[in-house]
Amino acid sequence: NAGVTQTPKFQVLKTGQSMTLQCAQDMNHNSMYWYRQDPGMGLRLIYYSASEGTTDKGEVPNGYNVSRLNKREFSLRLESAAPSQTSVYFCASSEYGRGRGQPQHFGDGTRLSIL
Amino acid sequence: SQQGEEDPQALSIQEGENATMNCSYKTSINNLQWYRQNSGRGLVHLILIRSNEREKHSGRLRVTLDTSKKSSSLLITASRAADTASYFCATDAYGGSQGNLIFGKGTKLSVKP
Repeated sequence: NAGVTQTPKFQVLKTGQSMTLQCAQDMNHNSMYWYRQDPGMGLRLIYYSASEGTTDKGEVPNGYNVSRLNKREFSLRLESAAPSQTSVYFCASSEYGRGRGQPQHFGDGTRLSIL
Repeated sequence: SQQGEEDPQALSIQEGENATMNCSYKTSINNLQWYRQNSGRGLVHLILIRSNEREKHSGRLRVTLDTSKKSSSLLITASRAADTASYFCATDAYGGSQGNLIFGKGTKLSVKP
């Protein structure tokens, strides 16, 4: 059981470069999420997708774009990377969205450094 | 916007002892969840307690919820070295953005063999 798979696991970028973080889940979940985790800050929601074709902004969406490619895949794009975006990025999925009492299943993260 | 705040920030105990972590939150919730994160890994869901529940058990885990005090506690009994990890509470609150589980900053638990 793969669960939630994130690629790449590590990445170093220069300021201004762009890149896309990939996420795929094999649990047939409807909802998917992107978080960032910074030291002392806990997890903060970047974007959320309730279902295929829908996306919503979370707490910290500036500088990011997302695409829900199909039910399995949810990608996060940094168009012009900034040092403030250095972080660990986690993708998660759940059968349904908030308020439904659903646990979220997380990938192992992408560690992104921007120089 | 941090909803849950864990206490203590760090906890160091010996194997076999019990570990208690607390979580306080600010607004009314639908449910509260606890997650574990091992170093370098993603979060793993441990247990969910709904707003109409007061206590829940899962193996060596015991979670309590006091909605009048807006607080929850996670008790790990007979701890093992493998329990060494960070523990996060997450609240699923009424109102606000869809999909928004709000996580606290975590308690870092170290269990010494």
